Amino acid sequence: QSVLTQPPSVSGAPGQRVTISCTGSSSNIGAGYDVHWYQQLPGTAPKLLIYGNSNRPSGVPDRFSGSKSGTSASLAITGLQAEDEADYYCQSYDSSLSEGVFGGGTKLTVL
Amino acid sequence: EVQLVESGGGLVQPGGSLRLSCAASGFTFSSYWMHWVRQAPGKGLVWVSRINSDGSSTSYADSVKGRFTISRDNAKNTLYLQMNSLRAEDTAVYYCARDHGYQGFEFDYWGQGTLVTVSS
Repeated sequence: QSVLTQPPSVSGAPGQRVTISCTGSSSNIGAGYDVHWYQQLPGTAPKLLIYGNSNRPSGVPDRFSGSKSGTSASLAITGLQAEDEADYYCQSYDSSLSEGVFGGGTKLTVL
Repeated sequence: EVQLVESGGGLVQPGGSLRLSCAASGFTFSSYWMHWVRQAPGKGLVWVSRINSDGSSTSYADSVKGRFTISRDNAKNTLYLQMNSLRAEDTAVYYCARDHGYQGFEFDYWGQGTLVTVSS
């Protein structure tokens, strides 16, 4: 059972927009800790996609965007492409656990 | 180019020990916090441990506290994870990751991972 809750799967057709939600609590996202998002392509290490709720590292396309409100955050992907098919994880810090915490991951399928 | 290369994984019996290493290059290793994150087969990511830039401060997930020890050698640009009293549930790919430094506890570069299998 992950501290942050994500839907197990989402899907969309090429060119469409999808969103992935990440729900936390008052000891992590709701306490003001930032949310970060990672993309893990099959068989590879995770890659930082969004940091600090909405910032993209250099090289990440602007099709990827993040937002945060209250105890939740969202990752939006517009103009879906086949190569976006991957697992996506949200991550934050939990003050009651004093640990970094991840969501359970969401598998994105491009139809 | 930032590179993190883990080594030291393998098959170990329950109750055994293993030491993982992570060789860093392409950045000033001594300036960054570092972390270990693991992923059990077919499962999600789980944060394991972190160490500050000079090695004076560490923290651990409850699941490994008292059994795992994180350390670093800044002269050798290497991060370590000493794992003792290993259990079947420790079976996972172990990644070392660099802390981005934005707020702390966000990971901007990852190694390729090393597989640890705990089984008799």
